[in-house]
Parts: sequence; structure tokens; C-alpha cells
Amino acid sequence: KAGVTQTPRYLIKTRGQQVTLSCSPISGHRSVSWYQQTPGQGLQFLFEYFSETQRNKGNFPGRFSGRQFSNSRSEMNVSTLELGDSALYLCASSSGPPGGSYNEQFFGPGTRLTVL
Amino acid sequence: DQQVKQNSPSLSVQEGRISILNCDYTNSMFDYFLWYKKYPAEGPTFLISISSIKDKNEDGRFTVFLNKSAKHLSLHIVPSQPGDSAVYFCAASAGGGADGLTFGKGTHLIIQP
Repeated sequence: KAGVTQTPRYLIKTRGQQVTLSCSPISGHRSVSWYQQTPGQGLQFLFEYFSETQRNKGNFPGRFSGRQFSNSRSEMNVSTLELGDSALYLCASSSGPPGGSYNEQFFGPGTRLTVL
Repeated sequence: DQQVKQNSPSLSVQEGRISILNCDYTNSMFDYFLWYKKYPAEGPTFLISISSIKDKNEDGRFTVFLNKSAKHLSLHIVPSQPGDSAVYFCAASAGGGADGLTFGKGTHLIIQP
């Protein structure tokens, strides 16, 4: 079974631009979560989608948004990029909805975004 | 305010010895705890978890201990092997996993031959 895939793997943008990152979950998984990893803050939760609906949201500004499609693929968008948005963005998928017993998350390799 | 803290950025252990990674949390609503392992250029991989109704969970060489009164958990790896060299993240969730995970900043474990 193929793992979580993320595209692109590397991205360079300039301040003020916007960026869209894509995540394809493991086949059959309906939940997708996004995380930002930086050296200073570690791994921080961005948001979680299940069945095309945002179920949870972390403490990030509105410039960060996401969506999930009917095939469970997800995209996240960052508008008006700032230098501090440079990070590794990780996507994770799991089989079940949030709540109840915990469903193990499987992470993709991440997209390395550099903002110049 | 960091709700999950891993106070040791790095830890060096000799091969064959026990590695103990520590994690402290402040949010008393957390009821599920996980450890992830991350190699460079890869996403984190799930290692082991523990529910707040337990105080110990074991899986092969890996054991996680939870001390709820101290809001502290630890991961024990014994015996440590060279392939264990990686960054280990502690994570916590509330509501039985309903909320997103809150991660610590990670501890870089280095296993020395």
C-alpha cells in the first residue's frame, strides 16, 4: 500500500507570494492533518480534515487555510508569505474520524518551504 | 505557552545501554500520549502510545511510562541500537484523540558504538 505522498517536496517562494501544498493520504484513509515543523517551535498542529470538513484547527493565523476533496486528498494554502513561514510542512493521514479511540497517524515526507 | 516539553534537545547513549527520553506536559486535559521517531528527510513514524488509564505500555524494546500526578512520561529503549539514532517527539492529545496532536520540540538521540 502506498504511503502518504506530498508534493512538491521542495519549494522556494518570496515574501508576499502565496503557496499551495498537496497531500495524498494512504488509500482508504479519510482523515488528513497538517503540521508545521520549524527548528524553534518543533512540530505544530495546523488543522485536520475528515470527510471534506475541517474538524480541528491549531493556533495559526488566517493566512493558513486548507481543504479536503471528495477523494480525501488535501491541500493547504498559505497566502501573503512571511519569512517566518519557512518550514517543513508535514501531512499525516489516518483511517478514522477524530474522537473515540485514537487512530494512528501516518506521516508523509513533508514539503520544505523556503521563503526569501 | 508550550504544553508539551522535552527539555533535553539531545541525548547520547552507548550502544547496548538503556536510553531514557523524558517528556513533561502541562495540560491536564491530555489523555493520550504518543512517541514518534523521525529520521532526517522523512516524516515522523509512530512508535508507541499510552492512554491515561494506564501507567505503562510495552512493545518490544520500547516501553512508555506515564506518571499522571507528575504530568510526566518517559520512553525507555533497551537495549539501544545504532538504528535508534533519530529525533524522538513526544505528543499528546485530549478528548481521546479528538483534538489535534500537540508535540514537544524533540530530543535527538545519538547511539554511540
